[in-house]
Amino acid sequence: GESVGLHLPTLSVQEGDNSIINCAYSNSASDYFIWYKQESGKGPQFIIDIRSNMDKRQGQRVTVLLNKTVKHLSLQIAATQPGDSAVYFCAERRSELIFGQGTELSVKP
Amino acid sequence: KAGVTQTPRYLIKTRGQQVTLSCSPISGHRSVSWYQQTPGQGLQFLFEYFSETQRNKGNFPGRFSGRQFSNSRSEMNVSTLELGDSALYLCASGTLGGANEKLFFGSGTQLSVL
Repeated sequence: GESVGLHLPTLSVQEGDNSIINCAYSNSASDYFIWYKQESGKGPQFIIDIRSNMDKRQGQRVTVLLNKTVKHLSLQIAATQPGDSAVYFCAERRSELIFGQGTELSVKP
Repeated sequence: KAGVTQTPRYLIKTRGQQVTLSCSPISGHRSVSWYQQTPGQGLQFLFEYFSETQRNKGNFPGRFSGRQFSNSRSEMNVSTLELGDSALYLCASGTLGGANEKLFFGSGTQLSVL
C-alpha cells in the first residue's frame, strides 16, 4: 500500500555536525509534506513544511529538500545540538496526515 | 496564544471500560484531528472534525468515536476497551483542516488498559 517511510530508524551524530534524515514517499500525487519533531513525553512539534512546487525550503538551522523524481524527502539540521535529540517524522498531507515510522536522532556531546 | 490542550494527561483503565478524552484546539482553529500512536504501528489517523461534522475517518473499529462542539473543542470516546487500545492519543488542530495546511499537536493522553 501507499505509505511514507524513513530509511533509517536511528541516527547518531556528534554535536556540531550536520544531520540528514531521509524519507521516501510513494504517492506521486502528494503535494504537501511536513517534518515533525517529537521529544519524549510530548506531541509532534512542527519543524518545517514544503509544497510540491518547491524543491528546497530553509528555516532556522533546518532545510528540507524534495526530490519529486525519486519521491524522496530529506531534513537537514545544521550544527546539530543536544536539544535536537528527538524522533523525527516526515508526514504526507492528504486529507489526513500520513506519517512515516520516524528516525531517532541522538546527539553525542 | 495557547497551544492544543489535551486532558487528562494520563489514564489507566481496565478492559471492557470506556474512556473519554478531551481536546481544546488553538484559539481560532476549527479543525480537530485525532491520532493514535503506538510503538508498533506508529502514528495512525483516527478521525477529523470540522464545524462539528466528522469530515474524515481512519480505519478503526466503531468502538472509537468522537464529536466536536460549537466552540471547536473535541472529545473522543473508546468503548469496550481492549488491551491493544493502550496508546498515546494525540489531538491536532488546524485553521481549516485543508489538505495544504499544517497541523499542531497537543502533548497527548497516555492511555493504559490493564
